[in-house]
Amino acid sequence: GDSVTQMEGPVTLSEEAFLTINCTYTATGYPSLFWYVQYPGEGLQLLLKATKADDKGSNKGFEATYRKETTSFHLEKGSVQVSDSAVYFCALRSLNDKIIFGKGTRLHILP
Amino acid sequence: SQTIHQWPATLVQPVGSPLSLECTVEGTSNPNLYWYRQAAGRGLQLLFYSVGIGQISSEVPQNLSASRPQDRQFILSSKKLLLSDSGFYLCAWSTGGSVTGELFFGEGSRLTVL
Repeated sequence: GDSVTQMEGPVTLSEEAFLTINCTYTATGYPSLFWYVQYPGEGLQLLLKATKADDKGSNKGFEATYRKETTSFHLEKGSVQVSDSAVYFCALRSLNDKIIFGKGTRLHILP
Repeated sequence: SQTIHQWPATLVQPVGSPLSLECTVEGTSNPNLYWYRQAAGRGLQLLFYSVGIGQISSEVPQNLSASRPQDRQFILSSKKLLLSDSGFYLCAWSTGGSVTGELFFGEGSRLTVL
């Protein structure tokens, strides 16, 4: 069945470091792919999305590219800030409207 | 604008008691509705989803059930709670018929089974 696998955390970086959080998926057909973020004490919210192969989603300095050949959707940011500390979830939406998430990656940014 | 309401926010129940969590969406019609459980280290586990009234897809065999008696109402139930049912339950909605649509979450219900 469909599944999402993302790197386990926690990930701890210094401010202004480069960030990569890996995400790979297994799905039938061509799902839409998403990154959601959960800031401390808040609910989940959409960070970015990509709906077809080679699409790049971007928001708040974060980017992720839909790679069909490697079934991946890695999240990247060139220079992280303390305010980026949060839990990040990779997700896919399949053609039958099922939406599944990875286990989440907790990110700590040190000043 | 669309809103999603989920209740109760917290509840403490004894083992073997029944459960009913309710979720309603306003400001949209024919939404897709979802129930997730969020646990530390396990991310968001999809429990049930529904693309229409009376249509329920179950993802995880367990002690829970879901129903959709009205277009914008989604209910999570159990006849007899287990200790392992403790957790944080999230209801969410998305636009039906759009594979690109994002999820919008309720505020969650924290269930403690004693």
